[in-house]
Amino acid sequence: DTGVSQDPRHKITKRGQNVTFRCDPISEHNRLYWYRQTLGQGPEFLTYFQNEAQLEKSRLLSDRFSAERPKGSFSTLEIQRTEQGDSAMYLCASSLGTGGYEQYFGPGTRLTVT
Amino acid sequence: AQKITQTQPGMFVQEKEAVTLDCTYDTSDQSYGLFWYKQPSSGEMIFLIYQGSYDEQNATEGRYSLNFQKARKSANLVISASQLGDSAMYFCAMSYINDYKLSFGAGTTVTVRA
Repeated sequence: DTGVSQDPRHKITKRGQNVTFRCDPISEHNRLYWYRQTLGQGPEFLTYFQNEAQLEKSRLLSDRFSAERPKGSFSTLEIQRTEQGDSAMYLCASSLGTGGYEQYFGPGTRLTVT
Repeated sequence: AQKITQTQPGMFVQEKEAVTLDCTYDTSDQSYGLFWYKQPSSGEMIFLIYQGSYDEQNATEGRYSLNFQKARKSANLVISASQLGDSAMYFCAMSYINDYKLSFGAGTTVTVRA
């Protein structure tokens, strides 16, 4: 059983460009989460899915951010018109639907906006 | 929203000794879960241990144990017999049972000395 994978691991982009990140959860997990972590801080919740339904979005998720999980398997997080303040580590996690509260994280995508 | 406080920004511990990492939380809810994660310099968040608010016994996982004091709203992590590979950032986190998203503290950096 493979863990959570994320792609790319690193992304450098210029301000104003759009970027898209992908997350593949553990195969039997039906919940998928996105978090953002800035340097020296703990991760902050962005959004989560149960199967293909996006059930909650944080106020941190401005209208430039959109997340999808079209078939209830992998997920994508897109940031449009990137700003320097978007520079952070974007972490994806997954968990079982019932009885499993712990979330398992991927290696993250480090975004640098220049 | 729940608030997680980790008051120790950094700690040094001698190899083979035990170390206790402090975590306090603030909530008026009765149903919640407490988690500890390890984040090495590589960046991946590694799940260590979970304690449910209704669990009467303290959780243990190998060299990790969680000292849960519900009345004091504290969930300290004890790492016994420290190893060099334990050097990392450690995060305390909390979620409500039916809410799933994790709220993290600011973290504690542990450095194990040979």
